[in-house]
Amino acid sequence: EDQVTQSPEALRLQEGESSSLNCSYTVSGLRGLFWYRQDPGKGPEFLFTLYSAGEEKEKERLKATLTKKESFLHITAPKPEDSATYLCAVHAPDGLTFGKGTHLIIQP
Amino acid sequence: NAGVTQTPKFQVLKTGQSMTLQCAQDMNHEYMSWYRQDPGMGLRLIHYSVGAGITDQGEVPNGYNVSRSTTEDFPLRLLSAAPSQTSVYFCASSYSIPSGEVGTQYFGPGTRLLVL
Repeated sequence: EDQVTQSPEALRLQEGESSSLNCSYTVSGLRGLFWYRQDPGKGPEFLFTLYSAGEEKEKERLKATLTKKESFLHITAPKPEDSATYLCAVHAPDGLTFGKGTHLIIQP
Repeated sequence: NAGVTQTPKFQVLKTGQSMTLQCAQDMNHEYMSWYRQDPGMGLRLIHYSVGAGITDQGEVPNGYNVSRSTTEDFPLRLLSAAPSQTSVYFCASSYSIPSGEVGTQYFGPGTRLLVL
């Protein structure tokens, strides 16, 4: 059974304080790992798709990396507007299997 | 493009009532799906469809029905609402690549359902 575990559950940072969110997964034959951002009261917003170990993708202050067992979402010099819940998901035969998310708060 | 739209945004039901949550997309995506999101549980797949006329069950299908008569629309029906179905429901859609795998999924804004 595919499993996705995200850590930490919650993270509070000061503005400008860089950090990383972790997503560990167990899946038979990874066919895609996805990162989403979710703001309160809204639907998940797509950020990145990673397909193979060693792959990296960047968007503004965010960088996603992938190994054979986990993915990291690195956030560099975050701003308060980066506060959100970040969701990780792996591609499963019928849809996506999601982790429970990391609730990120960036304090000014 | 409007993307993925969902109606209603919020609904209150009494136990035993039925209702239909609407989902539409204007991106000509073959794949559509329904998830529910509960505190501490993450998003869980209810039903999905790989094209018009084709539907299948996800992880938590009990108490829900779906149909797909057009590419654009994928309604979710609650046959007899129960308090356990209180949740936030998200519809998503994506293209399918030639190998049959599903591409990046795009989500609607959600429907918040309260069953009393």
